Amino acid sequence: DAGVIQSPRHEVTEMGQEVTLRCKPISGHNSLFWYRQTMMRGLELLIYFNNNVPIDDSGMPEDRFSAKMPNASFSTLKIQPSEPRDSAVYFCASSPRAGFYGYTFGSGTRLTVV
Amino acid sequence: AQTVTQSQPEMSVQEAETVTLSCTYDTSESDYYLFWYKQPPSRQMILVIRQEAYKQQNATENRFSVNFQKAAKSFSLKISDSQLGDAAMYFCAYRRATIYGGATNKLIFGTGTLLAVQP
Repeated sequence: DAGVIQSPRHEVTEMGQEVTLRCKPISGHNSLFWYRQTMMRGLELLIYFNNNVPIDDSGMPEDRFSAKMPNASFSTLKIQPSEPRDSAVYFCASSPRAGFYGYTFGSGTRLTVV
Repeated sequence: AQTVTQSQPEMSVQEAETVTLSCTYDTSESDYYLFWYKQPPSRQMILVIRQEAYKQQNATENRFSVNFQKAAKSFSLKISDSQLGDAAMYFCAYRRATIYGGATNKLIFGTGTLLAVQP
């Protein structure tokens, strides 16, 4: 398996633009997680899905952020409009139902909003 | 709510020496899993080692081992024979084992310990 695949690896955009981050989880994993990492706030869970259904989106910072999982093999995190304070590394991770296995993380997307 | 605390923001170790990273957690659950993740400068999050709470034996993976003290709610990571490639941020994480409502449980992370390895 190729692991969790995120794209793009880097994204630079201007304030006010729409940004879409993409994630392909490991086949067979039924849970998908979106995290944001910054120096100030560390790792923050934004939202997670179980069997394509959002379970907890309490970490989504505001309405500018939205996430979808239309099928078991694809998820997106969208920021519209983007702001400089959204600059961070965004990780996607997937997990089987059994908690013992932990998460497998993607390589992250470094987002810079100028 | 469960919490994970890593009280050492930074640590340093000489190459070939041993270092221990601390982690404590708070939970009212009796069944759970604990993990250590490594994040090198490449930023990839890598699972280093995991422990099941109902197993008394401490987990080991080559040069990495844990000291799991369930009563004290402590889960430290020991790295033996430290290598330059061990330099990274290390995150401790907790995951409840019991699944309620059919949905899997999220990992709860500590704030991380940045480990430097001196040649």
